Amino acid sequence: DAGVIQSPRHEVTEMGQEVTLRCKPISGHNSLFWYRQTMMRGLELLIYFNNNVPIDDSGMPEDRFSAKMPNASFSTLKIQPSEPRDSAVYFCASSLGAYTGFWEKLFFGSGTQLSVL
Amino acid sequence: SQQGEEDPQALSIQEGENATMNCSYKTSINNLQWYRQNSGRGLVHLILIRSNEREKHSGRLRVTLDTSKKSSSLLITASRAADTASYFCALNNFGNEKLTFGTGTRLTIIP
Repeated sequence: DAGVIQSPRHEVTEMGQEVTLRCKPISGHNSLFWYRQTMMRGLELLIYFNNNVPIDDSGMPEDRFSAKMPNASFSTLKIQPSEPRDSAVYFCASSLGAYTGFWEKLFFGSGTQLSVL
Repeated sequence: SQQGEEDPQALSIQEGENATMNCSYKTSINNLQWYRQNSGRGLVHLILIRSNEREKHSGRLRVTLDTSKKSSSLLITASRAADTASYFCALNNFGNEKLTFGTGTRLTIIP
């Protein structure tokens, strides 16, 4: 298996532009997560999906952020309009099962390094 | 939701030595996981230990969990240069669906 695949690996954009990050989870995994990593705040959970349905988006910073999972093999995280404070590494992760009182291990992609100028 | 606190924040040791890092937390957990992150890469799962377990091993890794002290430790024996990475604990808190990550320990193995 190729693992969790994210694209692009790096994204540099100007403030105000729309940014779309993409993720392909491991085939057969039922849960998908979007995390953001910064030096100041560490790893933050933005949103997670189970069977393509958003379950908890309480970590999404504001309305400028949106995430979709149109099918089991693809998810997007969109920022519109982007701001310099959105600069971070964005990770997608997937897990085999659903939440049953706890999570089993997560498989992470290599991340997208986003720089908003 | 609570976040684990790793200690130390950074650790440098000679190759071949053992490395120990700790994770402390405040409220009850269902399980605790350790992950490794190499520079510029995603996190890789190392070990999951459940709240009713006290110790687990995987190759050169040994994880302990003391629920009375609300702490866990990760021991890497006979360290290698390739072990240079950041190590994170992740908490599954009771009653909270979020898997929360600590701030990490940055481990450097000196050849």
